[in-house]
Amino acid sequence: KQEVTQIPAALSVPEGENLVLNCSFTDSAIYNLQWFRQDPGKGLTSLLLIQSSQREQTSGRLNASLDKSSGRSTLYIAASQPGDSATYLCAVWDSNSGYALNFGKGTSLLVTP
Amino acid sequence: DAGVTQSPTHLIKTRGQQVTLRCSPKSGHDTVSWYQQALGQGPQFIFQYYEEEERQRGNFPDRFSGHQFPNYSSELNVNALLLGDSALYLCASSSQGAWNEQFFGPGTRLTVL
Repeated sequence: KQEVTQIPAALSVPEGENLVLNCSFTDSAIYNLQWFRQDPGKGLTSLLLIQSSQREQTSGRLNASLDKSSGRSTLYIAASQPGDSATYLCAVWDSNSGYALNFGKGTSLLVTP
Repeated sequence: DAGVTQSPTHLIKTRGQQVTLRCSPKSGHDTVSWYQQALGQGPQFIFQYYEEEERQRGNFPDRFSGHQFPNYSSELNVNALLLGDSALYLCASSSQGAWNEQFFGPGTRLTVL
């Protein structure tokens, strides 16, 4: 069964820092991987989708990479801002989960002014 | 574009009651998935509907049932509510299935007393 792990569980950084959030998965035979942002008590906002044939995707200050062979994805946030404070979740589809997204528990990010 | 909408926003029920949650997918999307998110956890897949049929089901009891209408909107029904059903229920939509980018709604917060 696919296990998705996100480290660290929580992170606090001063404004302006570049930071990396990590996501690892146990079964490397994934289809796609998607990163989300969730504000407290709210729904999920899609940030980036990386297809299995891709190595990375970029959107503004965000860059996500995927290394299937090592079972890892990273989300890089450049020049962090207080508005980036939220929980960041990664999720994968794989041959076992079928149509179901398999989520990690998320990394709670706090960017202080 | 209204995005994915869900109703109601919040709901309070007592044990043993039944509840219906509603979801309208993003314009152009035909696939709806439902997830349950307990506090501090990642979302857990309940089921997915495509072409008005349940295409896949997660590890949830039969008390959880759903429906998809011809306009692609969907309902989630939960019977015989338990305290443990208290959670944020999220609806996600995508276009034509399997592993396309998922867009989530704001969620319905269900509290069972």
